[in-house]
Amino acid sequence: NAGVTQTPKFQVLKTGQSMTLQCAQDMNHEYMSWYRQDPGMGLRLIHYSVGAGITDQGEVPNGYNVSRSTTEDFPLRLLSAAPSQTSVYFCASSSHDRLQETQYFGPGTRLLVL
Amino acid sequence: AQSVSQHNHHVILSEAASLELGCNYSYGGTVNLFWYVQYPGQHLQLLLKYFSGDPLVKGIKGFEAEFIKSKFSFNLRKPSVQWSDTAEYFCAVNGRNDYKLSFGAGTTVTVRA
Repeated sequence: NAGVTQTPKFQVLKTGQSMTLQCAQDMNHEYMSWYRQDPGMGLRLIHYSVGAGITDQGEVPNGYNVSRSTTEDFPLRLLSAAPSQTSVYFCASSSHDRLQETQYFGPGTRLLVL
Repeated sequence: AQSVSQHNHHVILSEAASLELGCNYSYGGTVNLFWYVQYPGQHLQLLLKYFSGDPLVKGIKGFEAEFIKSKFSFNLRKPSVQWSDTAEYFCAVNGRNDYKLSFGAGTTVTVRA
C-alpha cells in the first residue's frame, strides 16, 4: 500500500490564483481530513469527510473548498490564494469502523503564496 | 470545544538525558489521546495512543505516556534520549465519538550528541 499520498510537494502561487491540492489513500478509509500546520500553532483542521459525498468544516475552513466524490480522493481547493494561506498542508485518513483508529498522514504540501 | 496545551515550546537535551513533555487537554467527555512525532523533513507518525485500560501506555522507540484523568494530562516520557529523537512532538485528542483531532502547538526537541 502507498498509504496517503499528496501532490504537489511544493507550490508557489501569486495572490488571487486558485489551485487544488490532491490527496489520495489506498487503504479504503472512510474518514479523510485536511490540516494546515503553522509554526507555534500545531495542526488545525480545515475540512473533513466521513465518506463519499459527505464533507464538513473544521476549525479554519474559510478560503478552502473540498469535495469527496470517491472513497480514495479528497482534494482541497484554494479559491483565491492569499498570503495568509502560506502553510504546510497535511491530508490524513482513518478507518470509519472504529473511532479509535489511528489517523495516517500524508507527506504534506508546502505552499507559498506571494 | 476541545483544546490541547503543550507546556514546552522547545526542549534541548543531551544524549542519555531523560525527557518528559507535558500535555493537558480540556474536553467534557471521554477522550482518545495521541502523541505524534514529526522527524525533520518527514510527515507525522504515531508514537502511541490511549483509548482505555492501563493508563500507562508504551509506544515505539522506547516512549511511554501516562494518562492521569484527574489532571486531564497525558505526558510523554523517555528515560534516555538519543540524537535520533530530535523531532517535533504533538499531543492530540479527540472525543470518543468524534473523528476530529485537536492538536497542541507542538514541542521541538533537540538532542545534542
